[in-house]
Amino acid sequence: DAGVIQSPRHEVTEMGQEVTLRCKPISGHNSLFWYRQTMMRGLELLIYFNNNVPIDDSGMPEDRFSAKMPNASFSTLKIQPSEPRDSAVYFCASSLVAIRGSPLHFGNGTRLTVT
Amino acid sequence: EDKVVQSPLSLVVHEGDTVTLNCSYEVTNFRSLLWYKQEKKAPTFLFMLTSSGIEKKSGRLSSILDKKELFSILNITATQTGDSAVYLCAVENDYKLSFGAGTTVTVRA
Repeated sequence: DAGVIQSPRHEVTEMGQEVTLRCKPISGHNSLFWYRQTMMRGLELLIYFNNNVPIDDSGMPEDRFSAKMPNASFSTLKIQPSEPRDSAVYFCASSLVAIRGSPLHFGNGTRLTVT
Repeated sequence: EDKVVQSPLSLVVHEGDTVTLNCSYEVTNFRSLLWYKQEKKAPTFLFMLTSSGIEKKSGRLSSILDKKELFSILNITATQTGDSAVYLCAVENDYKLSFGAGTTVTVRA
C-alpha cells in the first residue's frame, strides 16, 4: 500500500504566482479531503470529494482557491494568485466510504511558503 | 459550530512517566472520535472510538470515550522518547472530521 501521495513536498513561491498542489489517494478509497494546517488555526478542512464529486467546499477560504478531482486517482488544489497568508502545510487525505468505520489516511503534506 | 478542545496544550515528562491527554467536544450528529499522532509529517491514526466506556488499547496507549459527558482521554504509560509528538483529537460529524488544536508531548530521556 503506497499510501496517499502528495507533490511537491515543498513549494516556495512569490506572492501573486499560481500554485498547484497534487494528490494521489489510496487506491480504492472513494473519499478525498484537502486540509490546511497552521500554527494559529490547526487543521482545517478545505474541501471534501466523494466519488470524484465535490460535496462540501465551505472551508475553501476564497475564490483564489479551487480544487478538482478529474478521476478517482488524482486531485489538485490550486491557489491563484497566492498570498503570504496562504503559507501553511496542505494535507490531502483519503478514506473509504466517507470515514464511517474507516479512518482518514493522510499524505505527508506540501509545505507552502509564499513570500 | 463544532468544537473540539484538547488539554493540556503541551506537557513535558520524563521517560517512564504516564501521560493523560484530554479531549472534549460539542458536535451535532456525532459518529466517532479519533486520535492521531503527528510527528514531523502526516498525522497517523491511533484509535477510533464510537461507544462509551469501551477501552481501546494498543501497546502502551489506551483510550476511552464518554458520550454522556462528551469527552475522551488518551493514556500513554511508561513513556519513551519516541512518544514525543503532537496528539490530535478529531470528531466525526457526518462525513467531516473536526480537529482539536492538539497536545504537544515531549518525553525527556
